[in-house]
Amino acid sequence: QLQLQESGPGLVKPSETLSLTCTVSGGSISSSSYYWGWIRQPPGKGLEWIGSIYYSGSTYYNPSLKSRVTISVDTSKNQFSLKLSSVTAADTALYYCARQGLAMIVMLIRPGAVDSWGQGTLVTVSS
Amino acid sequence: DIVMTQSPDSLAVSLGERATINCKSSQSVLYSSDNKNYLAWYQQKPGQPPKLLIYWASTRVSGVPDRFSGSGSGTDFTLTISSLQAEDVAVYYCQQYYGTLLTFGGGTKVEIK
Repeated sequence: QLQLQESGPGLVKPSETLSLTCTVSGGSISSSSYYWGWIRQPPGKGLEWIGSIYYSGSTYYNPSLKSRVTISVDTSKNQFSLKLSSVTAADTALYYCARQGLAMIVMLIRPGAVDSWGQGTLVTVSS
Repeated sequence: DIVMTQSPDSLAVSLGERATINCKSSQSVLYSSDNKNYLAWYQQKPGQPPKLLIYWASTRVSGVPDRFSGSGSGTDFTLTISSLQAEDVAVYYCQQYYGTLLTFGGGTKVEIK
């Protein structure tokens, strides 16, 4: 049974960097069958995709966040991580890590539907 | 960017009745080379992460009750709950994965009338 668990500080100061890690158990992050992604949800609002990474290190990011986001993978620890810099109150949200299937368009392997989610971790940006 | 627009924002349906949720994409999410619609539906209950119900617009995830069905192609899609049960109270989201920017609809809240 695949499990994903987010970890990291629940409170981040404005202008600082939000750092979260997702630990994957019950499956290998090195599988060529999946992307691994981050999705967030502000309290009481909808879902926003942040970005995704393939085991090879290939990444796709939301252009609206791309200048501030870095997603990395550590296959030796079966983990992947999110860093979001220069945070503001607008970045306060429930952050989910997730496993995504694949979509192949124009011979490119891209992240697809999200078939497994972590429970989410609330990150509040406040001084 | 592909914008996903869901309607209605909320709906109240009597137990056992049909619930229909619509999702419209600002451009087609049908890939002609494989004839697949790159669209998924999720269910999110209070305090829980979303759960994948349907992918490729109409393929139900194993274990999802068959009262849930997805239909549509191109830019217009529908999630139908054929006979609403109490446990179906949730917010439902559509999502496209055709573009390099993955986007979700704003959600539709389903309640019991």
